[in-house]
Amino acid sequence: GEDVEQSLFLSVREGDSSVINCTYTDSSSTYLYWYKQEPGAGLQLLTYIFSNMDMKQDQRLTVLLNKKDKHLSLRIADTQTGDSAIYFCAETNNNDMRFGAGTRLTVKP
Amino acid sequence: GAVVSQHPSWVICKSGTSVKIECRSLDFQATTMFWYRQFPKQSLMLMATSNEGSKATYEQGVEKDKFLINHASLTLSTLTVTSAHPEDSSFYICSATQGIDTEAFFGQGTRLTVV
Repeated sequence: GEDVEQSLFLSVREGDSSVINCTYTDSSSTYLYWYKQEPGAGLQLLTYIFSNMDMKQDQRLTVLLNKKDKHLSLRIADTQTGDSAIYFCAETNNNDMRFGAGTRLTVKP
Repeated sequence: GAVVSQHPSWVICKSGTSVKIECRSLDFQATTMFWYRQFPKQSLMLMATSNEGSKATYEQGVEKDKFLINHASLTLSTLTVTSAHPEDSSFYICSATQGIDTEAFFGQGTRLTVV
């Protein structure tokens, strides 16, 4: 079946930029999402991108989509300790939705 | 990674009937399970959070009597859509965690169609 993969861990220093990467296999994806999960909480939608877009920027967040390579990334500028969480990428083709395993972002002071 | 099995993957039911969706953690004990719903062309909406042995915590706007959640064991949570109507047709997905600050693993999702 279709798959979504992302690296499991990322550690950065406060103030640096964080880049979380994700690859997927479904060529019929329509929307791609980034979610944040804080301890004990459900998913929080951070941002999403439509599959015909290359880039989307929202304050400190920048999403880049390379549809040819099926590669999605989330860049967090000026990373803060409050950004420490697990980040999930997900994609949908309007029939169902698939998630990556999540990337644990640790921000060191 | 850990495996979460959701069943059924597809279900079609008649209006007025009830449908039960199961979410099982196959190789770990899930102290917390989350239930989400996805509307067409939209993102996931968190419906409720359930902790083993206690009542589920529902998000605002989600009807408790309509969407019954039971988390009776550390490996199984169920979502029952009662008296289903066509507007309940959606994609429902569960996720499970072993505890606070641990990864969440997702089921395959259930496509519910109410006719």
